[in-house]
Amino acid sequence: QKEVEQNSGPLSVPEGAIASLNCTYSDRGSQSFFWYRQYSGKSPELIMFIYSNGDKEDGRFTAQLNKASQYVSLLIRDSQPSDSATYLCAVTDNNNDMRFGAGTRLTVKP
Amino acid sequence: EPEVTQTPSHQVTQMGQEVILRCVPISNHLYFYWYRQILGQKVEFLVSFYNNEISEKSEIFDDQFSVERPDGSNFTLKIRSTKLEDSAMYFCASIRVTESFFGQGSRLSVV
Repeated sequence: QKEVEQNSGPLSVPEGAIASLNCTYSDRGSQSFFWYRQYSGKSPELIMFIYSNGDKEDGRFTAQLNKASQYVSLLIRDSQPSDSATYLCAVTDNNNDMRFGAGTRLTVKP
Repeated sequence: EPEVTQTPSHQVTQMGQEVILRCVPISNHLYFYWYRQILGQKVEFLVSFYNNEISEKSEIFDDQFSVERPDGSNFTLKIRSTKLEDSAMYFCASIRVTESFFGQGSRLSVV
């Protein structure tokens, strides 16, 4: 069973703070790692992907991957109320099949 | 930006009826997926489709479900003899390595 685990939250941070979202996965053969944002009632929206160990930055977002620890995280700097959503971690295997974590609900308070 | 189109956006059906959910994926993508999300729960993998065949299916995807790509463009999910617990949002996705596009979803309500 290929598992993707996330803390369900809710995670609450004040506006302007750094939000840190974590994800672990069980399949060591996992290839690519994705972070999606999902607003209530909407489809998942891709924020970032990462496939190499280390950090990848895109604007206010930084993804961090540690394959040895089977851990991937997402940092959101200068959090805004509009960042309030559920953040889904997703992992693809070598068949390109994608599995999702349960999601972490983030609330950014003004 | 390319998009994945799903129809219907919402369908209400009586328990025991058959439902067909339709998706038009990205034309030059090769991998297509169906996911299910029950209200308030996680996004669950149902099935992946590659080269006009099922590539992998989850334990959820039993004999009640089937997928087809009947005309080379539309990608359908058929649910036979629907049950109350099939009520969920069904998402179609086109995924290619680092590109992924989700449709807006089809909400199925079984009453």
